[in-house]
Formats: sequence, C-alpha cells, structure tokens
Amino acid sequence: DGGITQSPKYLFRKEGQNVTLSCEQNLNHDAMYWYRQDPGQGLRLIYYSQIVNDFQKGDIAEGYSVSREKKESFPLTVTSAQKNPTAFYLCASSISPDRVDYGYTFGSGTRLTVV
Amino acid sequence: AQKITQTQPGMFVQEKEAVTLDCTYDTSDPSYGLFWYKQPSSGEMIFLIYQGSYDQQNATEGRYSLNFQKARKSANLVISASQLGDSAMYFCAMSLLNSGYALNFGKGTSLLVTP
Repeated sequence: DGGITQSPKYLFRKEGQNVTLSCEQNLNHDAMYWYRQDPGQGLRLIYYSQIVNDFQKGDIAEGYSVSREKKESFPLTVTSAQKNPTAFYLCASSISPDRVDYGYTFGSGTRLTVV
Repeated sequence: AQKITQTQPGMFVQEKEAVTLDCTYDTSDPSYGLFWYKQPSSGEMIFLIYQGSYDQQNATEGRYSLNFQKARKSANLVISASQLGDSAMYFCAMSLLNSGYALNFGKGTSLLVTP
C-alpha cells in the first residue's frame, strides 16, 4: 500500500546534537511538507517542497534544515540552533501543489525528545 | 497572513447526538481550500472532509458535513450521530496559493463523546 513512512517513531537526543528525521513516500506525490506540533497546539509549518531540488521556509524554519534530492524523500534535520526541539514532527505530501482537492497524506509522526 | 481560528478548546457531546465544531478563517485570496482533520491520541492525522472556496454546495462525507458560510468566513464541522470513537482532537486547516498550498492549521478542538 502507498503511504508515508516516518522513522523512527520515537527519538531521543542529547542537547546540542543535530538529528535527522526521515520521511519517505511511495505515492509519487510532488509536494512534501514538514510540521511541528507542541502539546495542545495545532501544527506549524517548518518547510515545504513543491518539486525535487527546491524547498521553501515555512513559519518556523529557524534551527531546521531540509533537502529534496529525490522525489520520494524529504528528510528534516533539527540542528543545535533550534532552541526547543522537543516536539512531535509530522511529514505530509500532496499529489501536486495545486491539486489540494486530492487531499494531503500524513505520516504517523516522530516524537523527538531532547534531554 | 492567513489565519484559522478555532474558539472551542474542548467540547462534550453525548453518544448519538450531533455536534458542531467551529472554525473561522481569514484570507483575502479568492481561491482556497478548507479541510478538517481528526487526530486521535495515537497522533496520526485522519482526513475528514474538504471544501473548495468555489464549491457551491456544502461538502458531506458520511456522518461529517461542512457548514460553509463564505461571507462569514466560517467552515464549521458537523458530526452527526456521535460515536465513542469520535473522541479526539479536531483541526481545521486552510491551503492557499501564496503559501505553496501548505496547510495552515487552527489550534484544534478536543472532543469527548460520553456514553
């Protein structure tokens, strides 16, 4: 079945370390997105990519970096510059940037805890 | 910037009753999409319903309907015949061209269905 795979489900890292969250999709979707969710809050956009080798900052990009070298992969790196990285991270994709009526598919998320 | 407002942090409803979850949005763009997602405690995002800004009729999907009042910029979700399994967080979201069609989320409403 097609879908989005986020790994790992739980991730623990020491403060000051960079960490990379994986997001892989086999839906042949053009657009991919990264969101952050804090307890009791909605999702906030970190980065998005509409096409391979191109991406744009979202509302809270500081302290994060991404790459889009392949259509199916959109990894997110949480750098040491991110002041409060402990959160739930969700990856999503859509068939193309302008076909929103087809909906968005979400991964099951990665819960990052920095100690 | 576009904004989604969900004014009900928490709602209770008795099983088999209908419930309305409020959502208002703010945008000057004539073309946009409105979405509702359900997030159970597992964290996954489950798509419920979509309404395009040019759609003439209110969207319906099974027990879910979207009460779309364009002039008032509201997109309330109506769940009919509530079930215990409907207990979850519910998020209203909007997609816009000027943000790469990335979803912009409200802070959510926590719904508890009681026997």
